[in-house]
Amino acid sequence: EVQLVESGGGLVQPGGSLRLSCAASGFTFSSYAMSWVRQAPGKGLEWVSGIIGSGDRTYYADSVKGRLTISRDNSKNTLYLEMNSLRAEDTAVYYCARDGSGWYSEFWGQGTLVTVSS
Amino acid sequence: DIQMTQSPSSLSASVGDRVTITCRASQGISIYLAWYQQKPGKVPKLLISAASTLQPGVPSRFSGGGSGTDFTLTISSLQPEDVATYYCQKCNSAPSTFGPGTKVDIK
Repeated sequence: EVQLVESGGGLVQPGGSLRLSCAASGFTFSSYAMSWVRQAPGKGLEWVSGIIGSGDRTYYADSVKGRLTISRDNSKNTLYLEMNSLRAEDTAVYYCARDGSGWYSEFWGQGTLVTVSS
Repeated sequence: DIQMTQSPSSLSASVGDRVTITCRASQGISIYLAWYQQKPGKVPKLLISAASTLQPGVPSRFSGGGSGTDFTLTISSLQPEDVATYYCQKCNSAPSTFGPGTKVDIK
């Protein structure tokens, strides 16, 4: 059974940093691209970042480019999102997702809430 | 970047009605289009990939169609458990983009 468990969310001040983790199990982690998708309170889904299975290529939404960094450790079956220079508009539930043969998300974690506020 | 739009933004229909949601891409994306269902307070669920491929376990009353720039999600007979917000997503390349969503309610 595919399982994705996010952690690392919390309250952070504007300009601060946070590191999200996503522990994966139930599949061969290195064989799949992974994505982070976020959802601000009461708003729609926003694709944030993606990384291919080997970790060699990463992709970002324009809204987070230069501030958020996606990475993975295939030896630990873990996906990461390093978040720097955080803004109020980064407040959202962040979902980790396993992607299919295209950039669509077959399986989702339960999400972790990031709140950027002073 | 390719932008995704959806119409309508919300709809209310009766149980048993046929419901169609439209998704449009600002540029052609072949069949690289996915649909998701998100029930209130829940995690999004993939319904359809490649424009028309129903995911395992998804009821057959859901169907998808289209290619290029225009796509549809159809619920052939709306059920109470289908109350949710539905999102399309372009997935031909990264960065990916979701549509703004269509909220479906029961009349």
